[in-house]
Amino acid sequence: AQKITQTQPGMFVQEKEAVTLDCTYDTSDQSYGLFWYKQPSSGEMIFLIYQGSYDEQNATEGRYSLNFQKARKSANLVISASQLGDSAMYFCAMTPVRSGATNKLIFGTGTLLAVQP
Amino acid sequence: DAGVTQSPTHLIKTRGQQVTLRCSPKSGHDTVSWYQQALGQGPQFIFQYYEEEERQRGNFPDRFSGHQFPNYSSELNVNALLLGDSALYLCASSLASGYSNQPQHFGDGTRLSIL
Repeated sequence: AQKITQTQPGMFVQEKEAVTLDCTYDTSDQSYGLFWYKQPSSGEMIFLIYQGSYDEQNATEGRYSLNFQKARKSANLVISASQLGDSAMYFCAMTPVRSGATNKLIFGTGTLLAVQP
Repeated sequence: DAGVTQSPTHLIKTRGQQVTLRCSPKSGHDTVSWYQQALGQGPQFIFQYYEEEERQRGNFPDRFSGHQFPNYSSELNVNALLLGDSALYLCASSLASGYSNQPQHFGDGTRLSIL
């Protein structure tokens, strides 16, 4: 069975500072993908960044980077230069990579990030 | 480029009633997945539709059923509503032939409250 663990229920960060949100995962699949989504209070899940299990480089998307440590089964999200608009719930998710239709996402319980001015 | 749209945005029902939620996928997408998100929790996968058939199903009872139409839009039906069905229901769309790094695109969700 696949499982995502996010151990930080809530985090505070000062505006313009960097913050790391933790994510560990468990899977028996050899090939899998890891995602981070942002969920503002409005409810929409906004895709931030993706890391494939066979990707040798850590993924980066603008101010977002993913610290992928495969042996430790961790996929932490790093947000640099935090902005007030980054305040939201953040979810780590994974999916097996198999041929055919898109596979289901397994989500963690999320981390609520509050950016302080 | 229209994103994923869901209707209604909010819904209030009583126990035992039935409800239908609707989803239109992002333009160009052919696969629709439904998730249930209880308060303070991460989304839980309900099922996925592709080519008008249910392709994957999560650990949800048969009270939860769905449908996909030829235009790729989808409905989620829940019968005999229970208090525990109160949640945010999220629809996500994707392209079946896409690579694994293509994310599922989510709508704003339908907030269902059971009284």
